[in-house]
Amino acid sequence: AQSVTQLDSQVPVFEEAPVELRCNYSSSVSVYLFWYVQYPNQGLQLLLKYLSGSTLVKGINGFEAEFNKSQTSFHLRKPSVHISDTAEYFCAVRGGYQKVTFGTGTKLQVIP
Amino acid sequence: DADVTQTPRNRITKTGKRIMLECSQTKGHDRMYWYRQDPGLGLRLIYYSFDVKDINKGEISDGYSVSRQAQAKFSLSLESAIPNQTALYFCATSAATGNTEAFFGQGTRLTVV
Repeated sequence: AQSVTQLDSQVPVFEEAPVELRCNYSSSVSVYLFWYVQYPNQGLQLLLKYLSGSTLVKGINGFEAEFNKSQTSFHLRKPSVHISDTAEYFCAVRGGYQKVTFGTGTKLQVIP
Repeated sequence: DADVTQTPRNRITKTGKRIMLECSQTKGHDRMYWYRQDPGLGLRLIYYSFDVKDINKGEISDGYSVSRQAQAKFSLSLESAIPNQTALYFCATSAATGNTEAFFGQGTRLTVV
C-alpha cells in the first residue's frame, strides 16, 4: 500500500516571501512523485514530477521540489510567492500497479 | 479544445435517481481514472481502467459503476444517488509507458438533494 501525507491543510504567506509545502509518502516499492496545482473552479495541472535522477526537480511558475528518499519526503518550495500562486496544491505518489494516490491538499493563501 | 472533457460540468439531481458522468479524451492514452474530491480529503480513486477490457475498483467504488465504451471514453454512473455522493468528480488519463503524469478534466460538480 502507498500513502501521502500533507501535514499542512492551509499555509498563509505574505507576497514575495518564501514558502515550503510539505509532503511525506510511504510505499513498499519505488515511486514516482508529483505536485499538482488546482486553481479555483479548475482541474488539476502538473507543477513538477520526480521520476529518477537528480533529486532537485524544477517545475513551472518558479516552483521546485526535492526528493529525499531517507526521509520519504518531497517538499515543494518557492523562493518568492506571488498573489497568483494562491491555489490548492496536491502531492501525489505513483507506485505499485501504477495507481496514483493523492494527499489531502494544502491551500496556499498569498497575502498582499 | 480540452484534451480531457467532462460532461456535464454541473449537475443537481435528486436522491434515488440514476446519473451518468461522461469523460472523453483526445490524448490517445490507454489509462483512465475517476476520482472524487471532497474538502479536506483530497482526491480519492473510484475506478480505473488500464485499457478497454480492463476495469478495476479504486478505494471508494461502492455505489458507483463505470463503463469503458472505447479507448477515449470512460463514464461513471451512480445507480441510485445519495446525498453523501455530493462532490466534485474528476476524470483523468495517463499513458501506459513513458511520461507518467496524469491529465485531468475540468471536473463535474454533482449535488444530490
